[in-house]
Amino acid sequence: KAGVTQTPRYLIKTRGQQVTLSCSPISGHRSVSWYQQTPGQGLQFLFEYFSETQRNKGNFPGRFSGRQFSNSRSEMNVSTLELGDSALYLCASSLPGQGQGGQYFGPGTRLTVT
Amino acid sequence: GQNIDQPTEMTATEGAIVQINCTYQTSGFNGLFWYQQHAGEAPTFLSYNVLDGLEEKGRFSSFLSRSKGYSYLLLKELQMKDSASYLCAVRPSNAGNNRKLIWGLGTSLAVNP
Repeated sequence: KAGVTQTPRYLIKTRGQQVTLSCSPISGHRSVSWYQQTPGQGLQFLFEYFSETQRNKGNFPGRFSGRQFSNSRSEMNVSTLELGDSALYLCASSLPGQGQGGQYFGPGTRLTVT
Repeated sequence: GQNIDQPTEMTATEGAIVQINCTYQTSGFNGLFWYQQHAGEAPTFLSYNVLDGLEEKGRFSSFLSRSKGYSYLLLKELQMKDSASYLCAVRPSNAGNNRKLIWGLGTSLAVNP
């Protein structure tokens, strides 16, 4: 079974621009979560989608948004980029309600904002 | 608030045993996870504890005490490839908005020859 895939792997943007990141979950997984990871803050939860609906949301400003499509693929968008948005953005998929280590992470998108 | 504490860095010798501790204060508890993350890579699942006690999986074991808000990850027969960051995460609840995981900052383990 193919793992979680994320595109692009690396991205360089300038302040004020907007960016869209894509995530394809493991086949059969309907829950997709997004995280931001930085050295100082660790893994910060952005949001979780299930069946095209946002189920959970972290404490990020409205510039961060996401969506999920009927095939469970998900995208996240960051508008009006700031230098502090430079981070590794990770997507994780899981089966709904799965307790035992249900989250499988993709390789991440490394975003650099200059 | 909700908080997870782990040591920032640890060093150990190849072939030895190392214990990485994790303490948590969360609004509830519905499971604790350990993940391994090599530099530049995504986290990979290691273990899951929801009941008190020790879960053993090969060279890796994880222990949980819910009354103490405490867990540890035990790595035996250390290998150089075990050099990585180890992340502790807690799911406060299985309901609604609390299904999301709360993550520690990770413990960076360096295994020396």
